[in-house]
Amino acid sequence: DAGVIQSPRHEVTEMGQEVTLRCKPISGHDYLFWYRQTMMRGLELLIYFNNNVPIDDSGMPEDRFSAKMPNASFSTLKIQPSEPRDSAVYFCASSPLGRKKLFFGSGTQLSVL
Amino acid sequence: DQQVKQNSPSLSVQEGRISILNCDYTNSMFDYFLWYKKYPAEGPTFLISISSIKDKNEDGRFTVFLNKSAKHLSLHIVPSQPGDSAVYFCAASAGAAGNKLTFGGGTRVLVKP
Repeated sequence: DAGVIQSPRHEVTEMGQEVTLRCKPISGHDYLFWYRQTMMRGLELLIYFNNNVPIDDSGMPEDRFSAKMPNASFSTLKIQPSEPRDSAVYFCASSPLGRKKLFFGSGTQLSVL
Repeated sequence: DQQVKQNSPSLSVQEGRISILNCDYTNSMFDYFLWYKKYPAEGPTFLISISSIKDKNEDGRFTVFLNKSAKHLSLHIVPSQPGDSAVYFCAASAGAAGNKLTFGGGTRVLVKP
């Protein structure tokens, strides 16, 4: 298996623009997670899905952030409008039911100018 | 409110010596703990885990110790190797929260040859 695949690897955009991050989880995994890594807050959970259903979105910082999982093999995290403080590395991870080990993608480095 | 804390942001150790990384948690519902290792420009990868029913788990050069009464765990790397230079994250999970992991802020380890 290719592992968790995220795109793009790097995204540079201007304040106010819409940003869409994409994730393909490992086939057969039931859970999908979106994390954000910053110097100040470390790795913080934004939202996670179980069988494509959002379970906990309490970590989503504002209404500017939204996430979807239309099917078992694809998820998006959207920021609209983006702000400079959204600059961070965004990770997607997936895990199978019954195992608490998460498998992470390589991340998307987002820079909002 | 940081439920998982790694109070040492960095650690420098000589090759061949022991590296000890510490992690404290506040949520008494946490019952499963993991350590992840992260290289630059890559996602975190699973290293070792421990259930709350144990106080020690060993895998090769890596040993994790859990002190439930103190709500403290540690990761020992013996002997340390230059390839161990990375950021290490402690993570915790509560049984009722499914596969959701709460991460600490990370400790950057530098192993000097």
